[in-house]
Amino acid sequence: GQQLNQSPQSMFIQEGEDVSMNCTSSSIFNTWLWYKQDPGEGPVLLIALYKAGELTSNGRLTAQFGITRKDSFLNISASIPSDVGIYFCAGRYSGGYQKVTFGTGTKLQVIP
Amino acid sequence: DAGVTQSPTHLIKTRGQQVTLRCSPKSGHDTVSWYQQALGQGPQFIFQYYEEEERQRGNFPDRFSGHQFPNYSSELNVNALLLGDSALYLCASSWDYQETQYFGPGTRLLVL
Repeated sequence: GQQLNQSPQSMFIQEGEDVSMNCTSSSIFNTWLWYKQDPGEGPVLLIALYKAGELTSNGRLTAQFGITRKDSFLNISASIPSDVGIYFCAGRYSGGYQKVTFGTGTKLQVIP
Repeated sequence: DAGVTQSPTHLIKTRGQQVTLRCSPKSGHDTVSWYQQALGQGPQFIFQYYEEEERQRGNFPDRFSGHQFPNYSSELNVNALLLGDSALYLCASSWDYQETQYFGPGTRLLVL
């Protein structure tokens, strides 16, 4: 099945650093979602974006809906150890109910 | 308020067998979606149930079937198991069209 391309695949950063990751698709989406998954748990929704160009924040997290509607970006500022996990982007088509297409994931490790 | 629960947590089956996985949605939710997450990949949409009917389906063969009960709980059935069916199976619930899907912890299926 289709999966969105996320980069980087994994990253090691020092605590306190900022993090950037992105997600690209060959198809247009009407909604972009960002999830975090901790080991042994299901994904948890972090941010939802509904309009091209939209910039939305949730605490230290900021995400943007790309202007082409084929990409999205997530930034984490001043990383802390509990930011460790796998971050997934996901896109949803208009009329697609809750069917979402997930990305391949970015694994984040924070060095204290 | 209990979140999404899934059972069993782990399961080992052999090729050719059949398996049934169970999901209880978050209180107040009426829509259940099932996802398959292979190791190192993002979740892939299998299907979604609403009002006891399959509303939408991803690219999965007919060996994958489901059911939703009047209390909104759901089952995922997989027949004629293949080695490639080994994965984490995630259930997510939501209130119809709302974006926020709440995921359960998943059932880890190993096919030998």
